Amino acid sequence: ETGVTQSPTHLIKTRGQQVTLRCSSQSGHNTVSWYQQALGQGPQFIFQYYREEENGRGNFPPRFSGLQFPNYSSELNVNALELDDSALYLCASSLRITEVTDTQYFGPGTRLTVL
Amino acid sequence: DQQVKQNSPSLSVQEGRISILNCDYTNSMFDYFLWYKKYPAEGPTFLISISSIKDKNEDGRFTVFLNKSAKHLSLHIVPSQPGDSAVYFCAASARTNAGKSTFGDGTTLTVKP
Repeated sequence: ETGVTQSPTHLIKTRGQQVTLRCSSQSGHNTVSWYQQALGQGPQFIFQYYREEENGRGNFPPRFSGLQFPNYSSELNVNALELDDSALYLCASSLRITEVTDTQYFGPGTRLTVL
Repeated sequence: DQQVKQNSPSLSVQEGRISILNCDYTNSMFDYFLWYKKYPAEGPTFLISISSIKDKNEDGRFTVFLNKSAKHLSLHIVPSQPGDSAVYFCAASARTNAGKSTFGDGTTLTVKP
């Protein structure tokens, strides 16, 4: 069984640039959620994808967008980077059966630094 | 307005003793609660969960208690081991979607040998 993987591990960007983060979900999982974890805080829900469609979004602006692919892997895109976007970005996968999405399992995260 | 709060940023206990981590929530729509453990440079790891229809769930050394009227839950670790030293996050969601969780800011547990 393959766990959740994320790439890259670390990334440094400058303000105004765009970034794409990638996530491969755990084998057998069909749902991916993305979280932002600022230093000293808990993870904050950004959005969730199920069957390639966005299935709920947290309090994040539209410059945060995502994709889910047929193999259930996912991308998080952030446009017009701001200094406050510096954080650990976590991807979590879970299995949705009918209307219930079960416990999620996290990847190791991507550390984004915006200068 | 933080909907899930962990009021103790840190906790230190002696090996073999009990560790009690606390969590409060404000949103009555939450009916599923989870605890995650996080080591440095790793993502959070699921530890234990509890549905609002229960008031206790046990898994080995870990027990979670839920007091719905007080909107309070706690994680008990007995006996505590040095390997339990980590950041513990409390999270809450609707039972139908544990993939949309609201997290507290975490409590750093240090277990001293």
